[in-house]
Amino acid sequence: GAVVSQHPSWVICKSGTSVKIECRSLDFQATTMFWYRQFPKQSLMLMATSNEGSKATYEQGVEKDKFLINHASLTLSTLTVTSAHPEDSSFYICSARPGFEAFFGQGTRLTVV
Amino acid sequence: SQQGEEDPQALSIQEGENATMNCSYKTSINNLQWYRQNSGRGLVHLILIRSNEREKHSGRLRVTLDTSKKSSSLLITASRAADTASYFCATVPYGGATNKLIFGTGTLLAVQP
Repeated sequence: GAVVSQHPSWVICKSGTSVKIECRSLDFQATTMFWYRQFPKQSLMLMATSNEGSKATYEQGVEKDKFLINHASLTLSTLTVTSAHPEDSSFYICSARPGFEAFFGQGTRLTVV
Repeated sequence: SQQGEEDPQALSIQEGENATMNCSYKTSINNLQWYRQNSGRGLVHLILIRSNEREKHSGRLRVTLDTSKKSSSLLITASRAADTASYFCATVPYGGATNKLIFGTGTLLAVQP
């Protein structure tokens, strides 16, 4: 199957700093990628749809200025958590769908201290 | 936003027993998919069932879909300890502009050896 690679797998940052998470499709081109957030023992909540060459589409309640998404190429989307605070600590997962099936990155565990 | 609710939230069984998880969703769909997530990892696609299908099999997995009740079930037969994971249903809402996947609340399955 297709491969989606996400980096880093975990990151610890200080409150007030920004963190960038990368999501790459390794063997296919992805005009669209999806970013999810997952709290412990909960489901995945769709945050935004990343569109190559255009603005991301954010779900209701997600702060655009807090979670900056850039999809500059057909194989790379980035999520930047700006001015991170402890409440932003979570597990972030990206995915892409070359067909019906979705392929997921390994996830990034963000801890803001 | 979440499309589906799953029950039970948690299920504990002995190795060799069957595990059944149920998913209910809210809107019309193109297809429904089941995913598995090992703790702290990304998701892996298990099986897809289209809206015009009623039942589908893949190895030890059996999925049913009842569009009139907006519900689906996942049966894992002859469970193994390695099946321990969280299981999520996911739907693509019919007519959705971005083809995004919306996940259910998930079932945490524990298979005791």
